[in-house]
Amino acid sequence: GAVVSQHPSRVICKSGTSVKIECRSLDFQATTMFWYRQFPKQSLMLMATSNEGSKATYEQGVEKDKFLINHASLTLSTLTVTSAHPEDSSFYICSARVGSGGAGGIDTQYFGPGTRLTVL
Amino acid sequence: DAKTTQPPSMDCAEGRAANLPCNHSTISGNEYVYWYRQIHSQGPQYIIHGLKNNETNEMASLIITEDRKSSTLILPHATLRDTAVYYCIAASGSARQLTFGSGTQLTVLP
Repeated sequence: GAVVSQHPSRVICKSGTSVKIECRSLDFQATTMFWYRQFPKQSLMLMATSNEGSKATYEQGVEKDKFLINHASLTLSTLTVTSAHPEDSSFYICSARVGSGGAGGIDTQYFGPGTRLTVL
Repeated sequence: DAKTTQPPSMDCAEGRAANLPCNHSTISGNEYVYWYRQIHSQGPQYIIHGLKNNETNEMASLIITEDRKSSTLILPHATLRDTAVYYCIAASGSARQLTFGSGTQLTVLP
């Protein structure tokens, strides 16, 4: 089945620093990847949609200059949290969409294991 | 995407079938029913999806009512490792995003 990896799985950083999270589709090509954020005891909230070779589309309320997304290839998308603050501490999860004909069927999304970000 | 309604929590005895209901009374004709689950501190895991017909795979079965207004995810022989939050999502086949509700916390008891 479709496998999505994320790196790092856990990161602790000081306030004001930037953190980069990588999302890779390991056994398929993903023209579209998604970035979600999940706070404790809450559900996943979509932050942005990342399309290979074009600018990301951000959800309302998500600062595009703070959460930089780059989708440089069909297997890699990165999320950079710039000038991180304690309120950015969260569980960040990416997903990749397998289009028609993929292993999961019609445009099924497969999720990475998540990255736990703690900003001190 | 159509709104889905799920019970907040359910318990199931280990080895028994777990039946998780989902209501999606406003689902449109081109929307699929997707099921994902999220084990604590992990990313969501795809389980199954369906449009009209019942579906079965190695993980679960999906039963969709004839009017498509509700569905049930069945884990035939629940194990302790099936303890997770289960999300039912209605979305079109070419959905650009999935909207996660609060899901059902399934606890499998020994």
